[in-house]
Parts: sequence; structure tokens; C-alpha cells
Amino acid sequence: NAGVTQTPKFRILKIGQSMTLQCTQDMNHNYMYWYRQDPGMGLKLIYYSVGAGITDKGEVPNGYNVSRSTTEDFPLRLELAAPSQTSVYFCASSYPRGEGTGELFFGEGSRLTVL
Amino acid sequence: TQLLEQSPQFLSIQEGENLTVYCNSSSVFSSLQWYRQEPGEGPVLLVTVVTGGEVKKLKRLTFQFGDARKDSSLHITAAQPGDTGLYLCAGAPHETSGSRLTFGEGTQLTVNP
Repeated sequence: NAGVTQTPKFRILKIGQSMTLQCTQDMNHNYMYWYRQDPGMGLKLIYYSVGAGITDKGEVPNGYNVSRSTTEDFPLRLELAAPSQTSVYFCASSYPRGEGTGELFFGEGSRLTVL
Repeated sequence: TQLLEQSPQFLSIQEGENLTVYCNSSSVFSSLQWYRQEPGEGPVLLVTVVTGGEVKKLKRLTFQFGDARKDSSLHITAAQPGDTGLYLCAGAPHETSGSRLTFGEGTQLTVNP
């Protein structure tokens, strides 16, 4: 079972470049999330989506954009990359609250370095 | 913003020792989850606690949710090297809508053979 798949796993960007982190899930989950994890820190929510066509900001949305055209895919776009965006990015998915256990299923992460 | 504070931040112990990790907040959560994350991987759910005072056991791991649903603890008995990892607590908001979890900053556990 694939679960949540993220690409790329590693990427180095120059300051000012843009890129898209891809995320796809095959569990038919309505809810999807993007988190960033800095060294020694927990997870900070960037954006989330409760279904196709619906997205909303999390704690740290500045410098990022998302779209949700299908249930399966939830790409994260970085515009004008900055060193402060150096981090490990995790995509996750879940059933809506009230359905299932509320468990978040995470991808393996995308390690981004901005130089 | 609801904050979760975990302690200790780092813990290094010898195989066979017992340990407790704490997750505290001034806010009430409708449920609280514990995840374990290994290097190069995403977090994986260990347990969800929902009821105040609830205790759940997963082999040598015991999880407790505080009576007021503001705090939780994870106790590991006779720790083994395979328990090494980053332990994260995550609280679900008290409001009835939304699924945005608040994560603690994690406890990095190292169990030495």
C-alpha cells in the first residue's frame, strides 16, 4: 500500500527560485495537510484542505501556496525561496473528524535546503 | 493558539531503564495523540486518548490523559534500543469543527544498549 507519497525527497534551491512539492494519497482521505519541521522542533501547520477545491491557512502560511483540484493530490508551492524555508516538509492525510480514529498518515518527508 | 509543551526535550538512558515523557498545556483538548518518528521518516501514530483520566497500554508503553484533558504522559517500562526516536504529542482542538492538530516540540529519546 502506497499511503502518502511525497516527491522529491531532497532538493536544493537558490534564493529566489520557485518549486512545487508534490503530495498524493491513495486512501481516499478528505483531509490533507502540509507541515514543516525544523531541527529540534515539532511540526508547524502550513496549509490544510478539507476536500477538493477547499484550502485554508495554518500557522505559518507566508511564502507558500497550495491547491486541491482532486481528492488525491495536494501540491505545495514555494515562491521566491528564502533561507528561512530550509526545512523538512511533511504531507499528511486523514479522515474527517468524527470518522475513524483521527489518525494522521504522513509521507516520508521532503528535505529542502535554500542557499 | 493552543500550545503543547513537552518535557524533557532530550533523554538518553540505558537499556532496561524506565522513563516518563510529559505533554502539558493550559488549554483543554478534545483528544490527544502520541506519535513516534524515526530518522528520515514521517511520524507514526502510537495511540489516541479521548476521555479525561484515560489510561491506555501498548506493550511496554503506558499513556495517560489528564483528568482535565490539558496534559498527558507517556511511560516506557524497561526501555529497549528499538524505542529510540522522537516522540510527539498532538492535541485536537476543543471546538467541534476542524481537524487542526497542535503538535508539541517533541522528546528525542535515545536508548543505549
